[in-house]
Amino acid sequence: EVQLVESGGGLVQPGGSLRLSCAASGFTFSSHWMTWIRQAPGKGLECVAHIKQDGSEKYYVDSVKGRFTISRDNAKNSLYLQMNSLRAEDTAVYYCAKDERGYGYWGQGTLVTVSS
Amino acid sequence: EIVLTQSPATLSLSPGERATLSCRASQSVSSYLAWYKQKPGQAPRLLIYDASNRATGIPARFSGSGSETDFTLTISSLEPEDFAFYYCQQRSEWPVTFGQGTKVEIK
Repeated sequence: EVQLVESGGGLVQPGGSLRLSCAASGFTFSSHWMTWIRQAPGKGLECVAHIKQDGSEKYYVDSVKGRFTISRDNAKNSLYLQMNSLRAEDTAVYYCAKDERGYGYWGQGTLVTVSS
Repeated sequence: EIVLTQSPATLSLSPGERATLSCRASQSVSSYLAWYKQKPGQAPRLLIYDASNRATGIPARFSGSGSETDFTLTISSLEPEDFAFYYCQQRSEWPVTFGQGTKVEIK
């Protein structure tokens, strides 16, 4: 059974940093692109960052470029999102998702709240 | 960035009725379009990928059609569990983008 479990969310002040983790199991993690997707409270969905199987290609939405870094450790079946210089508008539930002709598997999400 | 526009914003229907949701892309996405259902407090669930292919475990009452810029999700006969938000998503180019959503509510 495919499982994705996010962790690392919480309350952080504007300008602060957080590192999100996503533990994957039940599939060959190293064979799939992975994506971080966020959803602000009461809003729609936004793909934040995307990483190739071996980590050699990474893509970011413009609003997080230079502030967020996606990475993965295939030996640990884990995906990460380092978030720096956080802003109020980064407040959202962050999901990791397995990319395979659509996002067929999502984690339960981890809430990031940026507020003073 | 490819903008996806969903219509209507809200669809008020009764159980057993047919639901037709639209998604229009600002430029061609070929057939690289997916549909998701989301209920409050839950992660989205993939319904349709590549415009017309049902994902694993999705009932046959859900169907997708379209190509290039115009797409449709049809629910042939609404069940109580189908009242939710629905999003379309394109993967033709980065950034992957979602539509703003259609809420299907009970009339």
